[in-house]
Amino acid sequence: KQEVTQIPAALSVPEGENLVLNCSFTDSAIYNLQWFRQDPGKGLTSLLLIQSSQREQTSGRLNASLDKSSGRSTLYIAASQPGDSATYLCAVKKEGSGNTGKLIFGQGTTLQVKP
Amino acid sequence: NAGVMQNPRHLVRRRGQEARLRCSPMKGHSHVYWYRQLPEEGLKFMVYLQKENIIDESGMPKERFSAEFPKEGPSILRIQQVVRGDSAAYFCASSPRGATNEKLFFGSGTQLSVL
Repeated sequence: KQEVTQIPAALSVPEGENLVLNCSFTDSAIYNLQWFRQDPGKGLTSLLLIQSSQREQTSGRLNASLDKSSGRSTLYIAASQPGDSATYLCAVKKEGSGNTGKLIFGQGTTLQVKP
Repeated sequence: NAGVMQNPRHLVRRRGQEARLRCSPMKGHSHVYWYRQLPEEGLKFMVYLQKENIIDESGMPKERFSAEFPKEGPSILRIQQVVRGDSAAYFCASSPRGATNEKLFFGSGTQLSVL
């Protein structure tokens, strides 16, 4: 059974710091891994999608890496800003789930960036 | 290009009533997914639909819950005879073709509160 774990559950950093959020999954048979951002009372915004054949993806100050064999992904946020404060979720699409869109989510890391 | 639209944003029901949650996918998307986020838990897949077809309902509770995505109009998630344990945020997502490597785009969710 695929399980997705995110550590830490919460993180508080001063503005300007670089930080890393961690995601691990128990079954390496995945199609892809996606990082989302969730703001309180709002939906999920897709940040980065890494296919299983890729090692990393970058968008602006965000960089996500994937080590499929070890079941790990990291989301690196450079020069953090108060506007980055949100809950960050990672989700994997398991092989064999075909095109069902069935993502398995971690519990999230709640980030607070202090001005 | 409007995103995934869900309504209502907040829905209050008394135990035993019915709840209807609506989701309009992004323009050009014909694949809809419903997820539920219970308090203190991660998002869990419920059901995947294409127009007029349920493709995967492996995450749906066996009783009281149903979903449809008619040829015309939004997708509907229906919960009959609601109980307090149904209180959660219900998110809808859509994708263009349901392909394995596609991103899912999420709506802002419907927060269901059962009194």
